[in-house]
Amino acid sequence: RKEVEQDPGPFNVPEGATVAFNCTYSNSASQSFFWYRQDCRKEPKLLMSVYSSGNEDGRFTAQLNRASQYISLLIRDSKLSDSATYLCVVNQVGGKLIFGQGTELSVKP
Amino acid sequence: GAVVSQHPSRVICKSGTSVKIECRSLDFQATTMFWYRQFPKQSLMLMATSNEGSKATYEQGVEKDKFLINHASLTLSTLTVTSAHPEDSSFYICSAEGLAGGSTDTQYFGPGTRLTVL
Repeated sequence: RKEVEQDPGPFNVPEGATVAFNCTYSNSASQSFFWYRQDCRKEPKLLMSVYSSGNEDGRFTAQLNRASQYISLLIRDSKLSDSATYLCVVNQVGGKLIFGQGTELSVKP
Repeated sequence: GAVVSQHPSRVICKSGTSVKIECRSLDFQATTMFWYRQFPKQSLMLMATSNEGSKATYEQGVEKDKFLINHASLTLSTLTVTSAHPEDSSFYICSAEGLAGGSTDTQYFGPGTRLTVL
């Protein structure tokens, strides 16, 4: 079983749609959680951290359920510029980041 | 703030040569630097963790004699791919962790180096 598993993609959605990504992790000792965005042939960029209380940043909402070891990302009113690969990332003891395989999002006009 | 640079951004070399990739934290001191590798359509895989002034810790399956890591200062780490072969062709990305913007557990990624071995 992979340490971090994400929804298989790609997701093809029209502009304005709401899209949700899911992620599960296997190590219950994981300490912190993130969503990163990676554009084609570029480095990953931090989108947002994920907290148990849930957090929102504009059109993006992230949720963490420690009991279920489940992380989600919701994107509302999707824009063409949201097209990218979204990476679920888990930080373990010692600062080691474990990346999910990524879910590709394509927003169409 | 929190800028990490990598050099070169792209390198094409012949099989059997060695390639050095530099990773620099430009505006903060990086206590720890990480090296990742990403093959096409796959996720980033951690290769090794390096702390300034000490030996790198390699992940299982990564040959330490092939991927030499030197972390000589708090702002510079280098990865040398020795005797590169076509299967080493990949996107190599470094990240740096340190006191930047008040956060000590955020990793800041370099722009990556695309290595092609002919």
